[in-house]
Amino acid sequence: GESVGLHLPTLSVQEGDNSIINCAYSNSASDYFIWYKQESGKGPQFIIDIRSNMDKRQGQRVTVLLNKTVKHLSLQIAATQPGDSAVYFCAENSGGGNKLTFGTGTQLKVEL
Amino acid sequence: GAGVSQSPSNKVTEKGKDVELRCDPISGHTALYWYRQSLGQGLEFLIYFQGNSAPDKSGLPSDRFSAERTGGSVSTLTIQRTQQEDSAVYLCASSLDRGADTQYFGPGTRLTVL
Repeated sequence: GESVGLHLPTLSVQEGDNSIINCAYSNSASDYFIWYKQESGKGPQFIIDIRSNMDKRQGQRVTVLLNKTVKHLSLQIAATQPGDSAVYFCAENSGGGNKLTFGTGTQLKVEL
Repeated sequence: GAGVSQSPSNKVTEKGKDVELRCDPISGHTALYWYRQSLGQGLEFLIYFQGNSAPDKSGLPSDRFSAERTGGSVSTLTIQRTQQEDSAVYLCASSLDRGADTQYFGPGTRLTVL
């Protein structure tokens, strides 16, 4: 079936470095993608989203890249801070549907 | 403004008991969603409401699970005859309307079935 998955379960980076979290999706009909950040004991927090008619979108310290050719999504965090430590999930809203399909998540650890 | 709220934050129950979990969406949001997150896992879709109706219940794992929404606002997820495998964090999200895909999540209810 269709799925959304992450390449790396754990990513460790030094404070101040840039982080890149990757996600692969298999549903070519997906037209909307979202990145969420989840800290321990909290619900997912919206970070940034992108629609399939775009290949890049920037926010504050974050950039999402979408490569539809290889069905790949990435989240780039600039100047990673200790507060960025969390689990990051990509999700797709396939074909205009209302439910989100989530990947299993990547644990980002920021080392001082 | 206020975000999505859920209650209780934690619920411990005995196997076979019924539980009710509550979600208060962001004011004005017409779409409401329930997800389940098992330990160390991603989120699993359960049910979606548009207003008071549920056009997509495809994620409910069994007939022990049901949900309702009243007044286009508060929603209750009910699990009857709870089993140990029901233990998880139950997350609620809301979005402005059907066409607005960004979903905003509550803090979740951690359910433990002994």
